[in-house]
Amino acid sequence: DVKVTQSSRYLVKRTGEKVFLECVQDMDHENMFWYRQDPGLGLRLIYFSYDVKMKEKGDIPEGYSVSREKKERFSLILESASTNQTSMYLCASSFGQLRGEAFFGQGTRLTVV
Amino acid sequence: GENVEQHPSTLSVQEGDSAVIKCTYSDSASNYFPWYKQELGKRPQLIIDIRSNVGEKKDQRIAVTLNKTAKHFSLHITETQPEDSAVYFCAASGGNDMRFGAGTRLTVKP
Repeated sequence: DVKVTQSSRYLVKRTGEKVFLECVQDMDHENMFWYRQDPGLGLRLIYFSYDVKMKEKGDIPEGYSVSREKKERFSLILESASTNQTSMYLCASSFGQLRGEAFFGQGTRLTVV
Repeated sequence: GENVEQHPSTLSVQEGDSAVIKCTYSDSASNYFPWYKQELGKRPQLIIDIRSNVGEKKDQRIAVTLNKTAKHFSLHITETQPEDSAVYFCAASGGNDMRFGAGTRLTVKP
């Protein structure tokens, strides 16, 4: 069974704090993704990574950065949290494009106050 | 980057009726098109996918069609049941990225 695990289910942080969201997968997947899910807006791609230390911007990278130091771990960093970053964050992983199915983590509900 | 549009945003059908959800994509290099179902409070899960070398794929009550020329693909659910009620997302991938549509909330009324 593929497991994609996010470090927290719920987080409450203060405006201006630096926030780390962690994601770990156990299937040796090359690709990892961070999405943000808001009602009516679907799953918007923040960043993705196709290899260790490699990262690509998605559609809404502003205010976020990522780190992938090990193949199994992909971290999303909010450098200075703001209230408009209150959202559900979903991590996903997949093999490369030849085997494309993405598996999702359980999500982290982040509230910035 | 790829842009995926999905319609309708909400869909309500009677149990036993069919449901159709449509998506368009912008990048002709996209070659993999999955559909995900997300039940309330749960993570999205793959229900069916199609690659660009195939025009149609079926799995029991669900089917997906792809028109590469028009850059659109559709999900068809036949004989809908209340447990089909969920949010459905289409996605498109041409390489290492994967971009999703905005989702369709399907309600199946008993």
